[in-house]
Amino acid sequence: DQQVKQNSPSLSVQEGRISILNCDYTNSMFDYFLWYKKYPAEGPTFLISISSIKDKNEDGRFTVFLNKSAKHLSLHIVPSQPGDSAVYFCAAKRETSGSRLTFGEGTQLTVNP
Amino acid sequence: EAGVAQSPRYKIIEKRQSVAFWCNPISGHATLYWYQQILGQGPKLLIQFQNNGVVDDSQLPKDRFSAERLKGVDSTLKIQPAKLEDSAVYLCASRRPGLAGGRTGELFFGEGSRLTVL
Repeated sequence: DQQVKQNSPSLSVQEGRISILNCDYTNSMFDYFLWYKKYPAEGPTFLISISSIKDKNEDGRFTVFLNKSAKHLSLHIVPSQPGDSAVYFCAAKRETSGSRLTFGEGTQLTVNP
Repeated sequence: EAGVAQSPRYKIIEKRQSVAFWCNPISGHATLYWYQQILGQGPKLLIQFQNNGVVDDSQLPKDRFSAERLKGVDSTLKIQPAKLEDSAVYLCASRRPGLAGGRTGELFFGEGSRLTVL
């Protein structure tokens, strides 16, 4: 049962344009969402998060949007840079269940110069 | 601060052999996790420790996988006997208690140990 899904395995954008990565979840008990970035041969690193009490969280070039009714979140990167090329994982958790995260399959983002 | 250390980085074994992975979390991080990441999939939690106690091992295949964290610091994950489907990257992560700023759930990952079972 894949509770967190990232339906696009890959995304390619031009440098300077917007990258939009999408994530859907099925478990309505999830109330905290995170995005991790992973470069080859490295472990995932935390990027940005959002609580279900918000619908938007912004950190520099990165913004995460949450649509609870649609059980959908998205990560916007503006402007995209070649160094953003990596695999992006969406993750979700229930605050009351401790820190166990459920990850999506990941989306490979390629930003072309 | 030093990051999460894992070894070995790469291991190739034949099926039915055994293998062990080691993890040293960030100093002071009481919570330690082992995740399995199969190619093309997201990381899947195998086991979670709080200090030296197991919090969640519901997805650990206990017939062949075992893990311990005897002194509440470093941890080992063992697979015996290995199967072809165990080929994956094994990620160790840690989390410090009492995260401020609302960044709850943030895990710090090591570089992973890539296992190939032939």
